[in-house]
Amino acid sequence: QSALTQPASVSGSPGQSITISCTGTSSDVGSYNYVSWYQHHPGKGPKLIIFDVTKRPSGVSDRFSGSKSGNTASLTISGLQAEDEADYYCCSYRSPDSWVFGGGTKLTV
Amino acid sequence: QVQLAESGGGVVQPGRSLRLSCAASGFTFSSFSMHWVRQAPDKGLEWVAVTSSDGSIEYYADSVKGRFTISRDNSKNTVYVQINSLRADDTAVYYCARELRFGDFDYWGQGTLVTVSS
Repeated sequence: QSALTQPASVSGSPGQSITISCTGTSSDVGSYNYVSWYQHHPGKGPKLIIFDVTKRPSGVSDRFSGSKSGNTASLTISGLQAEDEADYYCCSYRSPDSWVFGGGTKLTV
Repeated sequence: QVQLAESGGGVVQPGRSLRLSCAASGFTFSSFSMHWVRQAPDKGLEWVAVTSSDGSIEYYADSVKGRFTISRDNSKNTVYVQINSLRADDTAVYYCARELRFGDFDYWGQGTLVTVSS
């Protein structure tokens, strides 16, 4: 089961915007809106920041937004802050009965 | 508040077995599917397995099928994963996670480290 494809790293300056891509296949990202994104700081459990491609859980900053086109989902973080520095993972349901994560993207602010 | 606490990790010899536990609190455990996700050293997250809210349905990643068994005891608010024939590539931090809606995991534990080494 191959992972979804994410860039290994991205960087940006405080206040800037960055976008992380997540490319899958027609068996996962391309066919389902069950794409979620997680922020992961070392030593902690991951934090859900986007679900169902575009929705934000209560309490998550509106600086985080998600989208999808074809087999590629994207996470955009606007107004970068130092505290956004973390690893980010996308995740998708993959038919018929599994979930798959992306390889992870290290964000440097 | 919702809490998930994994336990049972440690250093284990190749070929041995191990059972990890995840104790849940702060929510109606029997209403939610529960997942295990792992992260090998310097690697990304890897989905491992899921059990439905009543334990009647289980799915596994191809990489662990046949060696891992997920189970739950709703009377104890605990989900387990039994790992048999441990291999070096099972070395990872193992997280349990609650599935709030289909396809997303809203709460995670802090993880428990399993190291497979002779």
